[in-house]
Amino acid sequence: TQLLEQSPQFLSIQEGENLTVYCNSSSVFSSLQWYRQEPGEGPVLLVTVVTGGEVKKLKRLTFQFGDARKDSSLHITAAQPGDTGLYLCAGPISGGYQKVTFGTGTKLQVIP
Amino acid sequence: DADVTQTPRNRITKTGKRIMLECSQTKGHDRMYWYRQDPGLGLRLIYYSFDVKDINKGEISDGYSVSRQAQAKFSLSLESAIPNQTALYFCATRDSSRGPETQYFGPGTRLLVL
Repeated sequence: TQLLEQSPQFLSIQEGENLTVYCNSSSVFSSLQWYRQEPGEGPVLLVTVVTGGEVKKLKRLTFQFGDARKDSSLHITAAQPGDTGLYLCAGPISGGYQKVTFGTGTKLQVIP
Repeated sequence: DADVTQTPRNRITKTGKRIMLECSQTKGHDRMYWYRQDPGLGLRLIYYSFDVKDINKGEISDGYSVSRQAQAKFSLSLESAIPNQTALYFCATRDSSRGPETQYFGPGTRLLVL
């Protein structure tokens, strides 16, 4: 079973601080995705990382895929209240007939 | 207008009742999925459909059934609701020409079973 573990589970920080959340597995993934879910809404895809060591930036968000393609991180610079939400990582299950497994999520609260 | 809609958005029902959650999409995608989300457990796949005639069980299908009435509509039924089916339910769609990760989610249905 390909499991994705996210840490920390909860994070509450002040506006302007930096933070990093992690998505780890003992399995190799062909790609990993990061979603953000705001209260009352469904998850929205932020980014897909495909190549080991890949770094992608989305404004103040920086995503990295581990060299061995078993883990990923999301770093937010100068967090803003609009970054508040649940961050989920996800990855396709190998041999899983086009299914995806999701991590348990990191709930981020940015306090003004 | 939203590309993926779910109705109802909130539902309270009693143990033993049969209920249906509906999902519609205007994205023209062929793949559709039903997930449930519970605190600390992430999203778990209930059923998925690759076209109107192709329905597949996910990891937690017991107690649920689905119907793909058309390419754009995918309904989830709880045959006899029980309290541990209280959860947030999401429908998602995907274009088969893209990878499995590119899923588009509806806004969710919050279900409470008393």
